[in-house]
Amino acid sequence: DTEVTQTPKHLVMGMTNKKSLKCEQHMGHRAMYWYKQKAKKPPELMFVYSYEKLSINESVPSRFSPECPNSSLLNLHLHALQPEDSALYLCASSQEAQGDGYTFGSGTRLTVV
Amino acid sequence: QKEVEQNSGPLSVPEGAIASLNCTYSDRGSQSFFWYRQYSGKSPELIMSIYSNGDKEDGRFTAQLNKASQYVSLLIRDSQPSDSATYLCAVNKGAQKLVFGQGTRLTINP
Repeated sequence: DTEVTQTPKHLVMGMTNKKSLKCEQHMGHRAMYWYKQKAKKPPELMFVYSYEKLSINESVPSRFSPECPNSSLLNLHLHALQPEDSALYLCASSQEAQGDGYTFGSGTRLTVV
Repeated sequence: QKEVEQNSGPLSVPEGAIASLNCTYSDRGSQSFFWYRQYSGKSPELIMSIYSNGDKEDGRFTAQLNKASQYVSLLIRDSQPSDSATYLCAVNKGAQKLVFGQGTRLTINP
């Protein structure tokens, strides 16, 4: 199994809603990531989890709350988002080694209305 | 100076020709370098990784790294229309932190 699975694929939410994005991998990777990608822009790092602990938070607003329940799962809890938060949210994973590239999931297309 | 720089293109190449994509990076201590392909509306897909100076070949793809010049390139031989995509150069800055360039949009013309 060499996949990173993200659900849902599409999400439309109001600014007062609470929703969660989910990510799962079964490759034994110990590092997992959330990236945000706006149209025609590169992915921007949001959070890094290493061995289930948050190791990097790129000064992301608190309306985004990550969670790593176990080594295979990564969630991103969303609350009180703004329309400018609409983007493609990408989950990725990698081995716990500096030299490894990431395997990305297919992403969640989020629209905030 | 951006950490990872690419020409955003678009780069237009005739089918069957060689496409050459370039990338420079600012952190001389960077050790790992990657090329991702991203089709419109899809997620990035890792196509090449390179860690040592020189060339690395995989099928129609060749990655080239020159650490002294802080330069990474990707050559695509016998370009096909299915190679039309945005190509992202990425550099690992340590602590599993991957930084992406702006991406080069490549179009292969039949």
